[in-house]
Amino acid sequence: QSALTQPASVSGSPGQSITISCTGTSSDVGGYNYVSWYQQHPGKAPKLMIYEVSNRPSGVSNRFSGSKSGNTASLTISGLQAEDEADYYCSSYTSSSTPYVFGTGTEVTVL
Amino acid sequence: QVQLVESGGNLVKPGGSLRLSCAASGFTFSDYYMNWIRQAPGKGLEWVSYISSSNTYTNYADSVKGRFTISRDNAKNSLYLQMNSLRAEDTAVYYCARRYCSGGSCSPDAFDIWGQGTMVTVSS
Repeated sequence: QSALTQPASVSGSPGQSITISCTGTSSDVGGYNYVSWYQQHPGKAPKLMIYEVSNRPSGVSNRFSGSKSGNTASLTISGLQAEDEADYYCSSYTSSSTPYVFGTGTEVTVL
Repeated sequence: QVQLVESGGNLVKPGGSLRLSCAASGFTFSDYYMNWIRQAPGKGLEWVSYISSSNTYTNYADSVKGRFTISRDNAKNSLYLQMNSLRAEDTAVYYCARRYCSGGSCSPDAFDIWGQGTMVTVSS
């Protein structure tokens, strides 16, 4: 099972919106509405930001939103803030023998 | 508060064994599926294994199948990972993570509570 494909880095200025893509196949992202997104600051554990494509857990800012089209899921961060600078990973349920696959990770930089 | 604390990470030689533990507190541990997820130094996340709330079901990544065994003791609020035949590529921070549940419904794709991680280094 190959990792889902994410851009290595995305950057934006404070207040701007950015979108991170996560591309898989019909056996994972495209086949299920089970895509989640995680934020990870250096040296810290990941934090769940989005689950089931577009749902936010309690306590997560509504500046974070998720969507999916075909085999590609996306995470949009609006009103970019300095604290959003972190690594972001997508994850999907898969039909393979390994039921979960993560993305390659995207480093978000706030300029 | 809701918390997971891993322990047991260490430096081990290739072919060796190690047992990781994860102590849960602040929630009803026996209600949740639990997972191990690892992250090699400077690399991305890799799901390793899960175990059902009642110990009935387990599953493993192909990369560890046959070498790692997940288990839990609900009476002790603890999760374990027995790692045998360790390889250099198993070197990573190992996190335990809880499957996300809300309002009586659990999401199969999300992990909402993570520990701080424990480092496993496999090297001669």
